[in-house]
Amino acid sequence: GQNIDQPTEMTATEGAIVQINCTYQTSGFNGLFWYQQHAGEAPTFLSYNVLDGLEEKGRFSSFLSRSKGYSYLLLKELQMKDSASYLCAVNNKAAGNKLTFGGGTRVLVKP
Amino acid sequence: GAVVSQHPSWVICKSGTSVKIECRSLDFQATTMFWYRQFPKQSLMLMATSNEGSKATYEQGVEKDKFLINHASLTLSTLTVTSAHPEDSSFYICSASDRVANEKLFFGSGTQLSVL
Repeated sequence: GQNIDQPTEMTATEGAIVQINCTYQTSGFNGLFWYQQHAGEAPTFLSYNVLDGLEEKGRFSSFLSRSKGYSYLLLKELQMKDSASYLCAVNNKAAGNKLTFGGGTRVLVKP
Repeated sequence: GAVVSQHPSWVICKSGTSVKIECRSLDFQATTMFWYRQFPKQSLMLMATSNEGSKATYEQGVEKDKFLINHASLTLSTLTVTSAHPEDSSFYICSASDRVANEKLFFGSGTQLSVL
């Protein structure tokens, strides 16, 4: 089976940096995704890591360590519109590319 | 990026009726589509995997006779909630992977179902 853990909620100030951690246990690992989801909307793709290291994309960066079963999503220069849930999801290729989601982290950005 | 179209965006129905939700990949062929359900303030839970031309694979605890899935072509999968009850009220989301880069999933816009 798979187990994906991430914090439930985080609060940060506009302009600051927030790091959302995700730990996972899985067989057949084939990549880790981060999605952003605003209330009542579908998730939107943020990043994909399959190799160890840091992937930077504008204000958002994602890091992966496969040996540690660990990833983080880093949000820089926070804006009010970044208030959303951030979902960590692991792809299990051995199970036909099923994507299993963590519980999501609700980030609240305050002025 | 690839586009997945999901309809309807929201639906209100009476208890006991059936509701069909469509998921289309608009600019790529999707050999596999996934159906998720999300209750308020919870994460996405995989319901079933839909494979073109074959029967869907359901996750444990999901009733296959209640949630009918049809994946008749490489661009269309449908989920029918049969004899809907208030406890079926939820946000249903489909996603699809293309044949070339099948690690990456593209999501539909979701369907909010409310059963009265």
